[in-house]
Amino acid sequence: ETGVTQSPTHLIKTRGQQVTLRCSSQSGHNTVSWYQQALGQGPQFIFQYYREEENGRGNFPPRFSGLQFPNYSSELNVNALELDDSALYLCASSPGGRNTGELFFGEGSRLTVL
Amino acid sequence: GQQLNQSPQSMFIQEGEDVSMNCTSSSIFNTWLWYKQDPGEGPVLLIALYKAGELTSNGRLTAQFGITRKDSFLNISASIPSDVGIYFCAGPTQGGSEKLVFGKGTKLTVNP
Repeated sequence: ETGVTQSPTHLIKTRGQQVTLRCSSQSGHNTVSWYQQALGQGPQFIFQYYREEENGRGNFPPRFSGLQFPNYSSELNVNALELDDSALYLCASSPGGRNTGELFFGEGSRLTVL
Repeated sequence: GQQLNQSPQSMFIQEGEDVSMNCTSSSIFNTWLWYKQDPGEGPVLLIALYKAGELTSNGRLTAQFGITRKDSFLNISASIPSDVGIYFCAGPTQGGSEKLVFGKGTKLTVNP
């Protein structure tokens, strides 16, 4: 069983640029969530995708957007990068429908904005 | 919005000691979750609690869901070096059970 995989693991961008982060969900999981984890903080919910539709969004501006594909993999896109966007971006998948709160996280993509 | 307050922020203990950490909120939660994050990894679920007053164990870990539904604690007995990491409490947002709010974490260091 393959776990959640994310790419790239590290990347550096400059202010104003755009970035795309990718996530492959764990086998059999149809729900993908994205979290932002700033240094020294807990993960913060960005949004969730279920059946290729956004299914809930946290307190993030519209320049944070996402996609989910038919194979349940997902992308997180951030436009007009700001310095405060520097963080670890975590993707988490879940089977959906179990309502247990158990999420399976990838290792994250560490974004540095200069 | 919903916030979770964890204490202590960090702990430095000797191998073999017991550890206790807790999490409080001004809001009621119907589920309490404890995750652990190792360096360079994503969080992993340790224990899930679904009923007020529930006491659940997972090996050397024990967690309780407070009766008021506004707090939870996690105990680790006989700590070992691999217990090092950051422990987060989490609960579902009003948006649903898999959209979680996390505390800021308790960083545990275990000295051999």
